Amino acid sequence: DAGVTQSPTHLIKTRGQQVTLRCSPKSGHDTVSWYQQALGQGPQFIFQYYEEEERQRGNFPDRFSGHQFPNYSSELNVNALLLGDSALYLCASSFVGTGGESGYTFGSGTRLTVV
Amino acid sequence: DAKTTQPTSMDCAEGRAANLPCNHSTISGNEYVYWYRQIHSQGPQYIIHGLKNNETNEMASLIITEDRKSSTLILPHATLRDTAVYYCIVRAGAGSYQLTFGKGTKLSVIP
Repeated sequence: DAGVTQSPTHLIKTRGQQVTLRCSPKSGHDTVSWYQQALGQGPQFIFQYYEEEERQRGNFPDRFSGHQFPNYSSELNVNALLLGDSALYLCASSFVGTGGESGYTFGSGTRLTVV
Repeated sequence: DAKTTQPTSMDCAEGRAANLPCNHSTISGNEYVYWYRQIHSQGPQYIIHGLKNNETNEMASLIITEDRKSSTLILPHATLRDTAVYYCIVRAGAGSYQLTFGKGTKLSVIP
């Protein structure tokens, strides 16, 4: 049973460009969350998607946007990249039927470097 | 969500029990205590969670004090593969979807 799959694993972009990261949730999961983890810090919540809508958002600017598809997979888009956007981007999935109390399953992340 | 306080780092001898403390003195009645760990270059891994009662699963035990202001994660027989950053997170139940990670405790298991 595949866990959470993220692509690509590594990415280098130039300041000002746009980037799209992809996530396939664990089989049976229907919610997807995105986190940003800077070097030496804990992950920071960006947003969560359920039923193809954003249902909670962390303290991130509108440059960060997302999408969830009918098959529950998700994309994270970041526009106008800044050097400070360099980080590990993590996707986490869960099954809403557990009432939000179960643990989340995380992927291994996409390492984004902005130069 | 309530804030948590954890030691920055801890060492544990291989084969011994690792006891990782967490303070969450402002926890509310509907907030759960979650533990995750992150091994280098991987995503966080769920370990265990609890509300009031002590919990045990195949990975660890979670001991929550009666006043719920602190808890301890216990790895009964630490191995080198348990070397990781351990995060204690307090989160409300239904309706709260984000995990608020602090800096966690860096556990080093020593041969």
